[in-house]
Amino acid sequence: GAVVSQHPSRVICKSGTSVKIECRSLDFQATTMFWYRQFPKQSLMLMATSNEGSKATYEQGVEKDKFLINHASLTLSTLTVTSAHPEDSSFYICSARDPLAGGQETQYFGPGTRLLVL
Amino acid sequence: KQEVTQIPAALSVPEGENLVLNCSFTDSAIYNLQWFRQDPGKGLTSLLLIQSSQREQTSGRLNASLDKSSGRSTLYIAASQPGDSATYLCAAPLLGDARQLTFGSGTQLTVLP
Repeated sequence: GAVVSQHPSRVICKSGTSVKIECRSLDFQATTMFWYRQFPKQSLMLMATSNEGSKATYEQGVEKDKFLINHASLTLSTLTVTSAHPEDSSFYICSARDPLAGGQETQYFGPGTRLLVL
Repeated sequence: KQEVTQIPAALSVPEGENLVLNCSFTDSAIYNLQWFRQDPGKGLTSLLLIQSSQREQTSGRLNASLDKSSGRSTLYIAASQPGDSATYLCAAPLLGDARQLTFGSGTQLTVLP
């Protein structure tokens, strides 16, 4: 099946710094990618929808100036957490939709990035 | 807005038992119903996808059912194994936007050897 990778798998940073997380579709072109956040013992919450070549669509309550999303190519979307604070510590997961495989419902998930802000 | 609930939050069973995980959703106008598996600190693996017009899907020891009228889905795992230990999530995207997955909080399953 299709493969989605994320880099880095985990990152520890100091409060106030910015962190960039990459999401890549390895063997297909993804016109749409999704970014989720998951706190411990909780489910995944959709943060934003990233569309190649256009601005991301953010969910209610997600600060677009804090969570910068860039989908510059059909295989790469990046999420930058700007001026990170301890409350941003979470597990960030991306998914990518393969438009050629099974229709709208086919999303492939990355392995996630664990962010810890000290 | 779709709300998805999963019960129980955690379940521990001895190896070999059959078990059922439950998922309920508030809006029955769903595009499909999906079950995922998440291992600790990992991403999601798709297990089964039931189209809104279907009643159930089977894959190996897994069987998922869907009852839209009651807003419920179940995931049945037969002859459980320690390797089945993981968190199981269901998601029920709405017809309005099939791409947007609304997840339940998951059921953490532990199968004891």
